[in-house]
Amino acid sequence: DTEVTQTPKHLVMGMTNKKSLKCEQHMGHRAMYWYKQKAKKPPELMFVYSYEKLSINESVPSRFSPECPNSSLLNLHLHALQPEDSALYLCASSQEGSETQYFGPGTRLLVL
Amino acid sequence: LAKTTQPISMDSYEGQEVNITCSHNNIATNDYITWYQQFPSQGPRFIIQGYKTKVTNEVASLFIPADRKSSTLSLPRVSLSDTAVYYCLVGDSNYQLIWGAGTKLIIKP
Repeated sequence: DTEVTQTPKHLVMGMTNKKSLKCEQHMGHRAMYWYKQKAKKPPELMFVYSYEKLSINESVPSRFSPECPNSSLLNLHLHALQPEDSALYLCASSQEGSETQYFGPGTRLLVL
Repeated sequence: LAKTTQPISMDSYEGQEVNITCSHNNIATNDYITWYQQFPSQGPRFIIQGYKTKVTNEVASLFIPADRKSSTLSLPRVSLSDTAVYYCLVGDSNYQLIWGAGTKLIIKP
């Protein structure tokens, strides 16, 4: 299985809502990532988990809260988002120490 | 951290070979060069990766000169389905890959 899956594909939420994005991989990768991508821009790294521990937080606002329940799952909890947070949210995974990351299809988020 | 520079856009025709060059003047000794392809509203897809000289796989070739300050992605005999954004990245195993702005490649019939 060489796939990273993400749910939901699309999400519309109000600024007072709480929602979660989910990511799953079964490649045995021990590093998992969250990226945010705005239109016509490259992906921007948000968080990195290594062996289920948060290793990098790129100064992301606290309204985004990552969670890694186990080595296959990665969640991104969303609360009190702003309209400018609307974007494509991408999950990726890699073998520990590898430069090659495998991406999921993304969740298209719209904040109203 | 190395920064990459790529052309913003390129056009070509079906059946042609397309070469996209990326410059990375400040590449570090441990950095690898990786190229990804991205279609609209999809996640990036790994194409090829190399450290020096030439790497070839079933979809592309990657040429890296001895000084490693640039690299060229070569797509042989492109088709309409190769229309996408192509990203050049440099990075080491420290998780933080540096993404270029991407090259929008448009293939015409």
